Amino acid sequence: GAVVSQHPSRVICKSGTSVKIECRSLDFQATTMFWYRQFPKKSLMLMATSNEGSKATYEQGVEKDKFLINHASLTLSTLTVTSAHPEDSSFYICSAEGHLNTEAFFGQGTRLTVV
Amino acid sequence: AQTVTQSQPEMSVQEAETVTLSCTYDTSENNYYLFWYKQPPSRQMILVIRQEAYKQQNATENRFSVNFQKAAKSFSLKISDSQLGDTAMYFCAFTLPRETSGSRLTFGEGTQLTVNP
Repeated sequence: GAVVSQHPSRVICKSGTSVKIECRSLDFQATTMFWYRQFPKKSLMLMATSNEGSKATYEQGVEKDKFLINHASLTLSTLTVTSAHPEDSSFYICSAEGHLNTEAFFGQGTRLTVV
Repeated sequence: AQTVTQSQPEMSVQEAETVTLSCTYDTSENNYYLFWYKQPPSRQMILVIRQEAYKQQNATENRFSVNFQKAAKSFSLKISDSQLGDTAMYFCAFTLPRETSGSRLTFGEGTQLTVNP
């Protein structure tokens, strides 16, 4: 299958700071990327969908000003958690699909801890 | 809106035995895709098996097979000859065709499967 790389795998930041998470498709062009959030022992919840070159579509209840998503190229999408608070601590996972893909492929995930 | 329900939060099975994980879903659409994903302790999401709703034949992948009952909106996963490496959280997931919503997935709550030696 196609490879999606997510970085960093773990990050610890202080309350009030911003942190950026990158999601890269390594061997295909990702026309669409998805960002999910997963709480411990819980399911994945879709946060937003991003298409290359256009604004992201956020799911209901997700603050677009807190979770900034950029999909500036066909191989890179970024999620920036702005003014992070401890309640933003979670596991964030991206997935990506391209024109030729029959499914989306997942990154390894990022464990964010806000202290 | 689509929903996916997994009613078994935890299951366990002895090594080499067979186990079935349950999943039901709700949708008014006729064409869609169903998946089972495995999430081991590394938390990497791994696709186990995929089923297209328009295909009547149940999908199989080596030791993994599904029982897809479209009318009942049921999609169970059978793991044969369970191995220790099968220990993981298993998620059932639903998506509409790409042209409708892209590959945005709706996940069930998950079933933690433990394979005992």
